Amino acid sequence: SQQGEEDPQALSIQEGENATMNCSYKTSINNLQWYRQNSGRGLVHLILIRSNEREKHSGRLRVTLDTSKKSSSLLITASRAADTASYFCATAPGYSGAGSYQLTFGKGTKLSVIP
Amino acid sequence: EAGVVQSPRYKIIEKKQPVAFWCNPISGHNTLYWYRQNLGQGPELLIRYENEEAVDDSQLPKDRFSAERLKGVDSTLKIQPAELGDSAVYLCASSTWVTDPIRNTIYFGEGSWLTVV
Repeated sequence: SQQGEEDPQALSIQEGENATMNCSYKTSINNLQWYRQNSGRGLVHLILIRSNEREKHSGRLRVTLDTSKKSSSLLITASRAADTASYFCATAPGYSGAGSYQLTFGKGTKLSVIP
Repeated sequence: EAGVVQSPRYKIIEKKQPVAFWCNPISGHNTLYWYRQNLGQGPELLIRYENEEAVDDSQLPKDRFSAERLKGVDSTLKIQPAELGDSAVYLCASSTWVTDPIRNTIYFGEGSWLTVV
């Protein structure tokens, strides 16, 4: 089953504009991660935000997390045509025990950046 | 450092035929995952290994799917017999086992794209 729900399902913007994607989830988390998937390719990890963090930056990416609303947003600033891809949020469960864990993914937002 | 390697990248088979996918995780990663991704959807976990042990296979359709991770490194995922609904991308991923509450990143391979006709 999928925990996260991304919004919007598809987004089309002009190059240079900012792109904002949202993710909502249902259960408590340890961290939330964003991945990018280019057409026909595997998933590439973009950024991880921990449950005790509210905002995180990495290059042109800005992620926010609101655990009270169980939601996160990914902002890509000054978008480029190369940013065209599907973006997925994924949550790691909130238990604190040691060991491996699984990520639960949303359905993704398909971003198209028009040159 | 080499990433997660999967093969084959693409496979087209007729229904009822068997198919197998192979995965070589990142060196030193003791946790290995198989995810399935249907078209237009996010990946869903099939099975998770810690070393040789399958610690979570609750989502693996055991009537036709099987997986193994001999020696705790490479892994194979098999489907026999394949059905039309099995057409999807099969993603392998790996990570290191952690001892603190902050989880490490999971790294994905490029995927094996299966079409069943």
